[in-house]
Amino acid sequence: NAGVTQTPKFQVLKTGQSMTLQCAQDMNHNSMYWYRQDPGMGLRLIYYSASEGTTDKGEVPNGYNVSRLNKREFSLRLESAAPSQTSVYFCASRTKSTDTQYFGPGTRLTVL
Amino acid sequence: GENVEQHPSTLSVQEGDSAVIKCTYSDSASNYFPWYKQELGKRPQLIIDIRSNVGEKKDQRIAVTLNKTAKHFSLHITETQPEDSAVYFCAASMRGAGGTSYGKLTFGQGTILTVHP
Repeated sequence: NAGVTQTPKFQVLKTGQSMTLQCAQDMNHNSMYWYRQDPGMGLRLIYYSASEGTTDKGEVPNGYNVSRLNKREFSLRLESAAPSQTSVYFCASRTKSTDTQYFGPGTRLTVL
Repeated sequence: GENVEQHPSTLSVQEGDSAVIKCTYSDSASNYFPWYKQELGKRPQLIIDIRSNVGEKKDQRIAVTLNKTAKHFSLHITETQPEDSAVYFCAASMRGAGGTSYGKLTFGQGTILTVHP
């Protein structure tokens, strides 16, 4: 049971490049989330998927898109990366019975 | 939307002392309040949570209290140890009509706790 996994662990992009961050969970959770973490600002919700087949915007969705590929996988795409998107990105999934969210190990992204 | 304020931003204590971190929230409909611990370079991990129908919850050296009227909740760590040193985040989430919760968490800014041996 790996829990929540994310790839890649680190990534450096140039301004304007695109990339997709991958997230998968093996806990059979319905809900999945993408957060970004910046120094002094805590974690902020980018997008979430309450259940397979649905996605919705969070607090800071601009510049991002998501895909809930199936119940296990939830990806985050940056179409045209900007330096302001330099951050650590965490994926999480939630068990509905207790509301507990479990986080992945994170992806550290730098946009030059 | 919900707004969560967390204080202090840094907290330094001696081993064995108690530590208290406080959070306030803005949306009276919020009803789930978790606390996460994040060690350097690691993922956030849940250490304790509380729901709005409970005023206090304890788990060994950790306790959380909730005051719904004042819209604030606090984390209490007793007998602190050096391994308690980390960043602590509070968060708030609202359960919607009919009990449906999408689990959207709003986080505080974090508290860097340092426990000196």
